[in-house]
Formats: sequence, structure tokens, C-alpha cells
Amino acid sequence: QITLKESGPTLVKPTQSLTLTCTFSGFSFTSKRVGVGWIRQPPGKALEWLALIHWDDEKRYSPSLKDRLTITKDTSRNQVVLTMTNMDPVDTATYYCAQRYKEGTYGWYFDYWGQGTLVSVSS
Amino acid sequence: DIQMTQSPSSLSASVGDRVTITCRASQDINTCLAWFQQKPGKAPKILIYAASLLYSGVPSRFSGSASGTDFTLTISSLQPEDYATYYCQQCSAYPLTFGGGTKVDIK
Repeated sequence: QITLKESGPTLVKPTQSLTLTCTFSGFSFTSKRVGVGWIRQPPGKALEWLALIHWDDEKRYSPSLKDRLTITKDTSRNQVVLTMTNMDPVDTATYYCAQRYKEGTYGWYFDYWGQGTLVSVSS
Repeated sequence: DIQMTQSPSSLSASVGDRVTITCRASQDINTCLAWFQQKPGKAPKILIYAASLLYSGVPSRFSGSASGTDFTLTISSLQPEDYATYYCQQCSAYPLTFGGGTKVDIK
């Protein structure tokens, strides 16, 4: 059974940094078909992809947020950490982590998601 | 960036109706597209991958198709549990991008 769970602060102040941890079970970065991504969703709005990291440590970032994001993984602890600097009220959103899995020759897809964590940015 | 334009943004339908949602990519993405269902307060769930392949455990009333850069999600007979918001997402190129969503509510 694959599960993912996000953890981190629910409230951060403007200009502060946000660190979110995704702790997962049921899969491992030892598989060459696995990655973990972060996606966020402002209240009432659409999904926005932020970053992802693959089994081989390949990292990808949203160009619009690239300068503010860092994604790392801890294979032994089954965790992925996302850091976002210089937080602003517009960054208020539910942040999800999701497993990205290579479906044979069909490409990579987010097939399992965490429950999400709502992060508010306010002074 | 590849833009994913979903339409309509919302629709009202009755139980038993056939529902069609469209997603248009701004450039060729082959068939690297997924459809997700999201209910209020919940995480998205994958329904379709590779544009037309039904994900394991998803009811067969859901189907996907592709024609060039146009992609369609069809619900053949809408059920009460299908009232939700649906998103498409392209996986062909970075940055990964989602459509704006289609909210399906009760008529």
C-alpha cells in the first residue's frame, strides 16, 4: 500500500522560508521508475506543479519559482523535502506531494497523492 | 510552457447524463496526458493516463481520447459520486502543466 503524507508549518510569515517534508511508504527510490513531486493549489484555484525529484536525483523545477525552490530526498528515510524561500501571501495554498511513476512506455504520472497540507502566509 | 486549456470551466448535469470535458494543448504533447478527479477537501485522483488508458480501479464509465492536441474525458453515465472537479495534466515537457479545471455539479 502506497501512502504519502506532507508535514510542515501551517502558518509562515511573509519573507520567511517554508520547509515541507513528504514522508512516504510502499515504494522506494531504489526503483528506477519512481519520483516524487510537489504540487500546490491556492484556495478555490487550479493545481500548479512546483518541483520533482527522481530516483536518480534528477531535479526539475517550475521556471516561475525556480529561484525560490529546493527539493531534496533522503532515500534511507523515505522522505522528500521541499524548501521555498521568501514566502508571500500569494503562496497561501494546499501543498501536495505525489508519487510520480513510470507507466511502462507511456510516460510518468502522478498516481498517488498525499492528503495535502494547507499553508497560510500572513503576518 | 505548454498551456492546457480546459473547457468548459463548469457544467451542470443530471445523474445518468453523458458528460464530456475537453482539454486542448498549446503544442504537440503526443499522448502524454492524465486526467484527475478532485473532490472538495481531497487530493486529486488519477483516472486516465496516456490520454486513453484507464487507471487501475477506475470505473469503466470513464474514458479518454485524443485527436491531435485535443483531449477528451467522457463520463458515459454520470453517477452521484462523480460530482467533482476534473483536471488534465500534460507530462510531455517541463514545466508540467495542468488545465484550469472543470467543475461538474448537479443539475
